[in-house]
Amino acid sequence: DQQVKQNSPSLSVQEGRISILNCDYTNSMFDYFLWYKKYPAEGPTFLISISSIKDKNEDGRFTVFLNKSAKHLSLHIVPSQPGDSAVYFCAASANYGGSQGNLIFGKGTKLSVKP
Amino acid sequence: DAGITQSPRHKVTETGTPVTLRCHQTENHRYMYWYRQDPGHGLRLIHYSYGVKDTDKGEVSDGYSVSRSKTEDFLLTLESATSSQTSVYFCAISRTGMNTEAFFGQGTRLTVV
Repeated sequence: DQQVKQNSPSLSVQEGRISILNCDYTNSMFDYFLWYKKYPAEGPTFLISISSIKDKNEDGRFTVFLNKSAKHLSLHIVPSQPGDSAVYFCAASANYGGSQGNLIFGKGTKLSVKP
Repeated sequence: DAGITQSPRHKVTETGTPVTLRCHQTENHRYMYWYRQDPGHGLRLIHYSYGVKDTDKGEVSDGYSVSRSKTEDFLLTLESATSSQTSVYFCAISRTGMNTEAFFGQGTRLTVV
């Protein structure tokens, strides 16, 4: 049973436009969410995170939005650049009585930014 | 780049043989993790460590064991490799737990034939 779902395996966007990557989760105990980016033949790299006490976090061209009632988060990249072409993983962890659980990853979305 | 080194980077082994993958860090981070990445599954946690000699199972731990005798080294052992363990294995480290920024190694591509 998938607790973190990235329903779009791939996304293609024109350079300069906005990229929106979506992630849904089922576990209401999740209270911390992260996005990782992965290039081929490399390990994932941390991109941005958000805690459940916020609904938005911004870092340069990257913004993550969290909608707790819908159990949905999204990553916006504006403007998109060809170097953003990578696989993006959404991940979440839950707090169980003060102890943070391990990260659960989605299957990833492959973003292609066309020049 | 965070100081994480995985070895070997590539390995082909036969079914039934033992295999050990090594993760070495120079960051003195407390937490270390082993993940596997498979098509259609994303990243799945195998085992993790929260200190020297302190380890615990992840969601896909069957067939794997780990050891951490020093802060800097975290070993993943496949006692008797099977074809279902063909995968890309990633080590990760973090200072205060996985709910903070974690650094991943470059991965080890293991093929079991």
